[in-house]
Amino acid sequence: GAVVSQHPSWVICKSGTSVKIECRSLDFQATTMFWYRQFPKQSLMLMATSNEGSKATYEQGVEKDKFLINHASLTLSTLTVTSAHPEDSSFYICSEVKGANTEAFFGQGTRLTVV
Amino acid sequence: GNSVTQMEGPVTLSEEAFLTINCTYTATGYPSLFWYVQYPGEGLQLLLKATKADDKGSNKGFEATYRKETTSFHLEKGSVQVSDSAVYFCALKTTNTGNQFYFGTGTSLTVIP
Repeated sequence: GAVVSQHPSWVICKSGTSVKIECRSLDFQATTMFWYRQFPKQSLMLMATSNEGSKATYEQGVEKDKFLINHASLTLSTLTVTSAHPEDSSFYICSEVKGANTEAFFGQGTRLTVV
Repeated sequence: GNSVTQMEGPVTLSEEAFLTINCTYTATGYPSLFWYVQYPGEGLQLLLKATKADDKGSNKGFEATYRKETTSFHLEKGSVQVSDSAVYFCALKTTNTGNQFYFGTGTSLTVIP
């Protein structure tokens, strides 16, 4: 069964509003979770690394004030897209990795459409 | 640095055809290699993996061999089915980058009856 639960699976919001996406680890205390964004017909691009109890690490070009990441517990990381614009419309997906030689487990993804 | 170069699609095959999706990589350290599959409207699922040179990963009729000499991890399946229609991502993870994955651009496969 799923080890990472992501919610919601899709959301439509108005331009200028904020949207929160949750990523929950179901069977593992994930001190680190990863947030990716996937534009149509492109690969997953790492946005940020979410660290439990500390600030997230953002990749170059990702606005930390726009994409707020909170990892307040070992089982929950959230990504909030603030003041969303149509260009933020994308597929957002989180993942966790249990150990050095294991695969990543992905959430179901969230399709965000900003109108 | 670390990167994955993947065969561009889209790929369209008839049912029972042979599939190859090429994947090559560059990496610092000793990478583990993965193939993930994304079915329409869903997240990514691990298809197979290999953690060291000459390992062969296999699952659901798909297989890929970790070739260090050619830095490749090509995905193959002898006879594709309509249900294999999906996007396939090659990815790597190295020991010196923690748990961060590097993905190829993905290859869309459509299998027609």
